[in-house]
Formats: sequence, C-alpha cells, structure tokens
Amino acid sequence: SAVISQKPSRDICQRGTSLTIQCQVDSQVTMMFWYRQQPGQSLTLIATANQGSEATYESGFVIDKFPISRPNLTFSTLTVSNMSPEDSSIYLCSGAQTMNREQYFGPGTRLTVT
Amino acid sequence: QKEVEQNSGPLSVPEGAIASLNCTYSDRGSQSFFWYRQYSGKSPELIMSIYSNGDKEDGRFTAQLNKASQYVSLLIRDSQPSDSATYLCAVKRSGGGADGLTFGKGTHLIIQP
Repeated sequence: SAVISQKPSRDICQRGTSLTIQCQVDSQVTMMFWYRQQPGQSLTLIATANQGSEATYESGFVIDKFPISRPNLTFSTLTVSNMSPEDSSIYLCSGAQTMNREQYFGPGTRLTVT
Repeated sequence: QKEVEQNSGPLSVPEGAIASLNCTYSDRGSQSFFWYRQYSGKSPELIMSIYSNGDKEDGRFTAQLNKASQYVSLLIRDSQPSDSATYLCAVKRSGGGADGLTFGKGTHLIIQP
C-alpha cells in the first residue's frame, strides 16, 4: 500500500481567502484523486489529478474554485479558492498504483472557514 | 446519477458475533468494489477489495459480491469492540473519464462488549 501525507492537517481561514493543500505519496502511483467529506457526510470525488495536464473534474466542481496541480507522479496540490463557510470540510487525497485497483487515503486536511 | 446505497445504521452487534454490512449499487458496469473503515476523526482505511463474483476472505473479514443483483456485502466474524466504526462501501464507476470512487453514506457499526 502507498503511504500518503498531506499538509496542513488543519486550518482555519477567513472568508474570501484561498488555501493550498499539499499531498505527497511515498511511491510512484499512477492515479491521484481529491475528495471532500463534508461534516457528517460521506466522501465525494472532486477531481482526478493528472500528471502534467489539467485535472478531470466531477460534476459540480470547477477549476476556478478548485485548481489542482500534479507536477510529478508523487506530488499534487489542491487549492480551495475564494472560500466561504460552505467550503468547511475535510479534504482528502488518495492514490492508486494502477487503474481499477485499490485507493489509499491520506490523513486529510480539516478546513474551517469563518 | 450512479449511486451506492447503504443502511446508515447504527447497527449494533454483540461482541463475538458476526456483523453483516450490505451495499447496493446502480452502475451495472462496475467492476471494482471496496470496503473502507473510518474511525471518527480519521481518514478511511481500506480493509477489503473484491473484483469478481463470490466470496473473498481476509482474516476475520469476508467480502461477498453478486454482480447480477448489484449487491456487495462485508461480514466481520468474531466482532471486537475495536471494530466499532463507520464502514464505507465504494464502487469504481464504469466507462471512460475519471476513475475515482463513488461512496455510499456508510454504516455506523457498534460492537457491544
């Protein structure tokens, strides 16, 4: 299994600001993903992070709000832009070594927007 | 909308008994199925994956898949208090495009000592 780390583990941010979350995996994975888990809810896929190209976003998520980068196989960032209190969630990065196979999750970033 | 359905519980099971968790999915073309365990305040931990019809056993855990019925289940034998958690069923969608997972809302399992 892959070991995945995220920074920061938590943050409290002001409305209207942006936060960039970093995700690092310890081995070369083919696929990296970003999910959101709102309070008391299950996980929702935001996007697939593609190496060297634009991320693939799910319905309801747009690049202007959630820009994603993946400059190499083992590192990705998610930015939550122009934040509002509705963006308060846990943001999770996951990785899979091959398509169709197991995904492993990082510890998550707990974001509170005031 | 491709969905994954789980009973939210709570499901209360005596210690030492078998806990049975169920999940149905709507995407008939799905080929990959996963069970995650999530403790409160923690991220999901993968406990089982299953890709073909039938049973797959790993220690105290058995995953069962029936693609014709679009049904996947997880059995936990000899349940321990440490098994108390939310169990998330996840399905990889079929078709092209993104390869992420669709999650059910999770079943909250309580093992009573």
